[in-house]
Amino acid sequence: KAGVTQTPRYLIKTRGQQVTLSCSPISGHRSVSWYQQTPGQGLQFLFEYFSETQRNKGNFPGRFSGRQFSNSRSEMNVSTLELGDSALYLCASSLEAGLAGAKLYFGPGTRLLVL
Amino acid sequence: AQSVTQPDIHITVSEGASLELRCNYSYGATPYLFWYVQSPGQGLQLLLKYFSGDTLVQGIKGFEAEFKRSQSSFNLRKPSVHWSDAAEYFCAVALDQTGANNLFFGTGTRLTVIP
Repeated sequence: KAGVTQTPRYLIKTRGQQVTLSCSPISGHRSVSWYQQTPGQGLQFLFEYFSETQRNKGNFPGRFSGRQFSNSRSEMNVSTLELGDSALYLCASSLEAGLAGAKLYFGPGTRLLVL
Repeated sequence: AQSVTQPDIHITVSEGASLELRCNYSYGATPYLFWYVQSPGQGLQLLLKYFSGDTLVQGIKGFEAEFKRSQSSFNLRKPSVHWSDAAEYFCAVALDQTGANNLFFGTGTRLTVIP
């Protein structure tokens, strides 16, 4: 079974632009979570989607948004990019939401550099 | 506020030696606890998790962890380290069942294994 895939793997943008990252979960997985990883802040939860609905959201500004499609694929969008948005963005999928699905399978990440 | 502390930023051990990675959490109730490992090119992988019951949990790759409520700790151990264990290890906590995929991660401990 294929793992979690994320596209693109690398991205360079300039301040003020917007960016869309894509995540395809493992087949059959219905929950998708997004995390931001930076050297300074570490791994931080962005949001979780299940059955096309956002279940949880981390402490990030409204510039960060996401959505999930009926096939469980997910996208996250960052508008008006700032230098501090440079990070590795990790997508993770799980079979279910909540404790029943409390095993995350992480993708390789999208490394975003904002200049 | 909830927090996860991994006091050791970097640990070096000899191959074949025992290993203990420390993790302390700050949260009023019993949290749901996880250890993940991040290897270059491999992404984050779940080693083990604790929800309730036996406080000593077994994971993959020969790892185990012990939950000690009195010390608010969930330390990861391995009796004999292999060179392939060199990676970054993250302790994480979920605060409730509905947020089981909303994880608070520690800052990580980088493990170096010397021959």
